[in-house]
Amino acid sequence: RKEVEQDPGPFNVPEGATVAFNCTYSNSASQSFFWYRQDCRKEPKLLMSVYSSGNEDGRFTAQLNRASQYISLLIRDSKLSDSATYLCVVSLNTGGFKTIFGAGTRLFVKA
Amino acid sequence: GAGVSQSPSNKVTEKGKDVELRCDPISGHTALYWYRQSLGQGLEFLIYFQGNSAPDKSGLPSDRFSAERTGGSVSTLTIQRTQQEDSAVYLCASSFGPPGNTIYFGEGSWLTVV
Repeated sequence: RKEVEQDPGPFNVPEGATVAFNCTYSNSASQSFFWYRQDCRKEPKLLMSVYSSGNEDGRFTAQLNRASQYISLLIRDSKLSDSATYLCVVSLNTGGFKTIFGAGTRLFVKA
Repeated sequence: GAGVSQSPSNKVTEKGKDVELRCDPISGHTALYWYRQSLGQGLEFLIYFQGNSAPDKSGLPSDRFSAERTGGSVSTLTIQRTQQEDSAVYLCASSFGPPGNTIYFGEGSWLTVV
């Protein structure tokens, strides 16, 4: 089993749609959680951190469920510019620090 | 500099040659990471430095790959006797402190082995 698993995608949605991505992680010692965005042939960039209480940044909402070892990202009112690959990222300390990236979920938003 | 700087941005090399990829992290960032990404694939972890030491080298794919970091700053990833399967973009990233803090990526070094 992969340490971080994401929905395979791709997701094809119309503009204005709401779309949700899921991510599960296998190590209960995981401490920090993030969503990164990667545009085609570009480097990943931080979209938002994920906090235990859940957090929102404009049209984006991230949630964490430690009991189920599950992270989600919700995008409301999708824009064409949201088209990208979304990477789930988990950091943990198991005697040595480790940051693990999921394989990513591709999103295509169409007019 | 303001961001993570990598060089060269593009490199085409012949199979069997050695290549060196350089990363200059954000000033003050103590942690430095190397990842590899093949076209259309996810990020593959290679190695992580905290200061000049590498507590996690588990991702280096073979003994042809090595990396060092000097002065707690610049890092070099060396690939010896390159193979065609080494073709990928090599991404360097840095963070302040250990993993758990935001990681900032460079634009990558695109390596093509012909």
